[in-house]
Amino acid sequence: GAVVSQHPSWVICKSGTSVKIECRSLDFQATTMFWYRQFPKQSLMLMATSNEGSKATYEQGVEKDKFLINHASLTLSTLTVTSAHPEDSSFYICSAREGQRTYSGNTIYFGEGSWLTVV
Amino acid sequence: AQSVSQHNHHVILSEAASLELGCNYSYGGTVNLFWYVQYPGQHLQLLLKYFSGDPLVKGIKGFEAEFIKSKFSFNLRKPSVQWSDTAEYFCAVISSASKIIFGSGTRLSIRP
Repeated sequence: GAVVSQHPSWVICKSGTSVKIECRSLDFQATTMFWYRQFPKQSLMLMATSNEGSKATYEQGVEKDKFLINHASLTLSTLTVTSAHPEDSSFYICSAREGQRTYSGNTIYFGEGSWLTVV
Repeated sequence: AQSVSQHNHHVILSEAASLELGCNYSYGGTVNLFWYVQYPGQHLQLLLKYFSGDPLVKGIKGFEAEFIKSKFSFNLRKPSVQWSDTAEYFCAVISSASKIIFGSGTRLSIRP
């Protein structure tokens, strides 16, 4: 079946540096990808919706300049955490929707997530 | 390895029918359990969650789920579905290590 791959699974970076997380759809074209963040012991929080070839739509309270999202191709979206700080340490997960932007029986697949630790 | 299984890949029901979507997880420690829903064209939304206490959890839009520890199950139920319940439903478990594991999802189609 369809697979969404996130890389890296684990990353540790120094405070003040930037880190990039990739989300790839391996065997389908994903016109839309979603980026979530999970705080400890809580459910997912949607950060942004990424549409191929256009700017991402960010949820309220999410800093656009800090969490840069690029969806340059139908199989790859990237999340870059810029000038990372310890409070950015979290679990980031992406999901990708197969097919057209309007729902027409397509479905959504999740990546396995990426653990970011900022020290 | 920890896993979450949703055995029903696609469920088709008529309006007013009762719904039960299965979710089984394989993890012996303390777990937090969730059901998420994704309506057509929308992002993921939380339906309900179980952390502790009463194993029968009430969620939004008339959904409920029951945590049965002995069966490692957290099935989602609704007494009477509506056409607007057409969506993809995901079960998820968070282990004590705070890693979230999703099931593969169940697509629910409701016939008007």
